Amino acid sequence: DTTVKQNPRYKLARVGKPVNLICSQTMNHDTMYWYQKKPNQAPKLLLFYYDKILNREADTFEKFQSSRPNNSFCSLYIGSAGLEYSAMYLCASSRSANTGQLYFGEGSKLTVL
Amino acid sequence: AQSVTQPDARVTVSEGASLQLRCKYSYSGTPYLFWYVQYPRQGLQLLLKYYSGDPVVQGVNGFEAEFIKSNSSFHLRKASVHWSDSAVYFCAVTGYQNFYFGKGTSLTVIP
Repeated sequence: DTTVKQNPRYKLARVGKPVNLICSQTMNHDTMYWYQKKPNQAPKLLLFYYDKILNREADTFEKFQSSRPNNSFCSLYIGSAGLEYSAMYLCASSRSANTGQLYFGEGSKLTVL
Repeated sequence: AQSVTQPDARVTVSEGASLQLRCKYSYSGTPYLFWYVQYPRQGLQLLLKYYSGDPVVQGVNGFEAEFIKSNSSFHLRKASVHWSDSAVYFCAVTGYQNFYFGKGTSLTVIP
């Protein structure tokens, strides 16, 4: 099974409210990623977990939080959503030792009103 | 800085025609290069990858790509496209864990 699952697929949030997106994989991959994808833009890496070590991109460091309670799950948390957070959020996983391909979920589309 | 450029946002071709989607990258180390495809309402899927060796790599569904180091390019090709190839194609580069993507090229194949 090479499936990465994301929940929810669609999320509507009010400005200022928190948002929590969930990702799971059953491939025992050591690395899990979160990307933000806006129309006509490249997927932007937000952060990734290598095992239990969280790496966040410098320009999104304060905007997004994440947790990885076990190898299979990874969350993306927005404490206070703003209009600029409206986007598709893509979760992916990989076996880093393989310098490997990313396996993507179908995405969670967040709309902030 | 690491980056990927896909200069063509949209490409339209007729079914049966040949295809080239362009990709240029900027990467300071040894690049590992990928093409991903996203069909409507689906996640990104790997089409092909290049790590080393033969600069021409074969992927699924008749796609291939050529790594040209001197030009920092990794263009995707297909000899004869099918209507089902209509999708968005993303080029990506990595050295280890950070993957950098281009903006994507939306391909429309006219029957």
